[in-house]
Amino acid sequence: GAGVSQSPRYKVAKRGQDVALRCDPISGHVSLFWYQQALGQGPEFLTYFQNEAQLDKSGLPSDRFFAERPEGSVSTLKIQRTQQEDSAVYLCASSYRTSGARDTQYFGPGTRLTVL
Amino acid sequence: QQQVKQSPQSLIVQKGGISIINCAYENTAFDYFPWYQQFPGKGPALLIAIRPDVSEKKEGRFTISFNKSAKQFSLHIMDSQPGDSATYFCAASRRTDKLIFGTGTRLQVFP
Repeated sequence: GAGVSQSPRYKVAKRGQDVALRCDPISGHVSLFWYQQALGQGPEFLTYFQNEAQLDKSGLPSDRFFAERPEGSVSTLKIQRTQQEDSAVYLCASSYRTSGARDTQYFGPGTRLTVL
Repeated sequence: QQQVKQSPQSLIVQKGGISIINCAYENTAFDYFPWYQQFPGKGPALLIAIRPDVSEKKEGRFTISFNKSAKQFSLHIMDSQPGDSATYFCAASRRTDKLIFGTGTRLQVFP
C-alpha cells in the first residue's frame, strides 16, 4: 500500500509569497502531524490533527502558519508572507490510532521549502 | 524541559563494528522512546522503540538500552554495515504522541 505522500517535493518562494504544502496520509489513519526540520537538525513538532480536529497547534511558530484537514484525510499547511527563516523541510506523519496509543508515526518524504 | 539531548553528532565505524548512540531526557512524563533512521531526501522511518517498563529491547542487529533512573537511553547497532549509513534520531513522547526529537547522529560505516 502507499505510504504518506507530500507535494510538492520542492518549493522555491520569494520572500513575502504565500505557499501551500499538501499531505496525503495513509488511508484510514486517524492522526496526522506536521513537523519542521531545519538543515542538520531533528524534526520539530508544528501541529496535530485527530480526524478533522486540530487538537494541538502549540508548535506553529507564528500566526503566518496555518494548517487544516477539513475532511479528516488530506491536510494542507499554509505559510503566509514567507520569510527566509521559514526555509526548511516540512514533514508530515500519520498514525492509525488516536492520541495516547503511542502508535507508530509514518513519515512522508517531506517538502523542501527554500525562501529567497 | 522538553529537550532530548543526543550524542555524538557524528560517528564513523568500520564495517562489522558496533555503533552506539546516546540520548538523555529531562521530562519524567515521557513514556515512549523511539529511534528513527533517516536517509538523505527521505522522511524518518521507525527503527525500534521502547517503553520505560523495559530495560532493553532487541530487534535483529538493533538494541535499545534504557536506564530510567539516569533518564538515558541508547541505540546499539551490532555488526554495522555500509547500508546502515544514515542519520539516526532518538525521540520521546508523552501520551499526546507529539514526538520530541534529538538533534541527530550522522553514522558512516566504512567497508
